[in-house]
Amino acid sequence: DIQMTQSPSSLSSSVGDRVTISCRASQSISIYLNWYQQKPGKAPKLLIAGASSLERGVPSRFSGSGSGTDFTLTISNLQPEDFATYYCQQSYSFPLTFGGGTKVEIK
Amino acid sequence: EVQLVESGGALIQPGRSLRLSCAASGLTFEEYAMHWVRQAPGKGLEWVSGLNWNSATIAYADSVKGRFTISRDNAKKSLYLQMNSLRPEDTAFYYCAKGPVGDSYWYFDLWGRGTLVTVSS
Repeated sequence: DIQMTQSPSSLSSSVGDRVTISCRASQSISIYLNWYQQKPGKAPKLLIAGASSLERGVPSRFSGSGSGTDFTLTISNLQPEDFATYYCQQSYSFPLTFGGGTKVEIK
Repeated sequence: EVQLVESGGALIQPGRSLRLSCAASGLTFEEYAMHWVRQAPGKGLEWVSGLNWNSATIAYADSVKGRFTISRDNAKKSLYLQMNSLRPEDTAFYYCAKGPVGDSYWYFDLWGRGTLVTVSS
């Protein structure tokens, strides 16, 4: 199985900050990497598919990059509605696996 | 409105069986792969099972293989998860999730609100 490791597990930032979340795969997954946002009590929401393709309707302050084993989700100009938990997920092979999550909190 | 609505969650004793359902509306259900993803309270996301549009490709997480069975009825626009030999560690919110068009993309672009399964004596 492919293991997905996210870092950090949590971070505190202020509105307007630039935030970077890392995701590392235990083996190469090309660009088969997706990012989700989850707010408390809600279902996850797809932000980015294929490592860097922004889902329709997702603000352009979200961006994704990377290939192979190392990937990054960047949130520029952090907004109040962006405080949430973010998960990466590999879609390269079964079983599909998620990272452990990164909780973005208000400083 | 495009939506997925799960049902069937319950409090159930270990070793018993339960069937979850997911009803789709506002979309051409038969075009999409479908999945179940679960989340134990306060924990992260775990993919459980998925199948492609015509059920030719079906996959399971190791943690449920041999105990859970996924199926779909395209005519009824419904997805199911038959869960047998339930264990306390199966306690979680179970989300129904839709994949994008095509058989090569195994991610989740639409989620239901989830249904809670609690396995406890």
